[in-house]
Amino acid sequence: DIQMTQSPSSLSASVGDRVTITCRASPGISNYLAWYQQKPGKVPKLLIYAASTLQSGVPPRFSGSGSGTDFILTISSLQPEDVATYYCQKYNSAPWTFGQGTRLEIK
Amino acid sequence: QVQLVQSGSELKKPGASVKVSCKASGYTFTTYAMNWVRQAPGQGLEWMGWINTNTGNPTYAQGFTGRFVLSLDTSVSTAYLQISSLKAEDTAVYYCARCSWEENYFDYWGQGTLVTVSS
Repeated sequence: DIQMTQSPSSLSASVGDRVTITCRASPGISNYLAWYQQKPGKVPKLLIYAASTLQSGVPPRFSGSGSGTDFILTISSLQPEDVATYYCQKYNSAPWTFGQGTRLEIK
Repeated sequence: QVQLVQSGSELKKPGASVKVSCKASGYTFTTYAMNWVRQAPGQGLEWMGWINTNTGNPTYAQGFTGRFVLSLDTSVSTAYLQISSLKAEDTAVYYCARCSWEENYFDYWGQGTLVTVSS
């Protein structure tokens, strides 16, 4: 099965900072990658699909890039409400594996 | 609007069974597949499997065969997850989540059902 590896596992940044989270797929998955945000005690929410397509209603400060094996989720200007754990997920073929998650906190 | 509404929290003893429901509304139930995701306390998301809502055919992820059964009742637009011979390590929040046949990302999720297994 394809492994999904996120880095870092946690990070702390200041409001207004540019934040990047990386997800690596081995082997490659073309652009069949989604990103989810899970705020503490809440349901996961789809942010991005097809590696770079923003889900309707998601603020434009979120963006995704990458293809093949390496993907990046970027928050252009971190806001307090972005405190959450972020997960990547591959969906090129079953199983639809999630990364282990990246916990994002405000410094 | 699309909604997936799950049944309430469950407290079960080891060895018992539990059946979690996920009722869909706001779309045609059979036009999307239904997935199940487990999240153990303090842990990440783990895909358990999915069910074809047209045929009722389930597919299980590794580690979720044997004691886990996915089923449907299309007459009430509801998917089910049944877990038998419960163990303490089955304690988790279980989510249902839909995906399209062509693009298997999860655009709508249920609110989650906490299953606690304790003697």
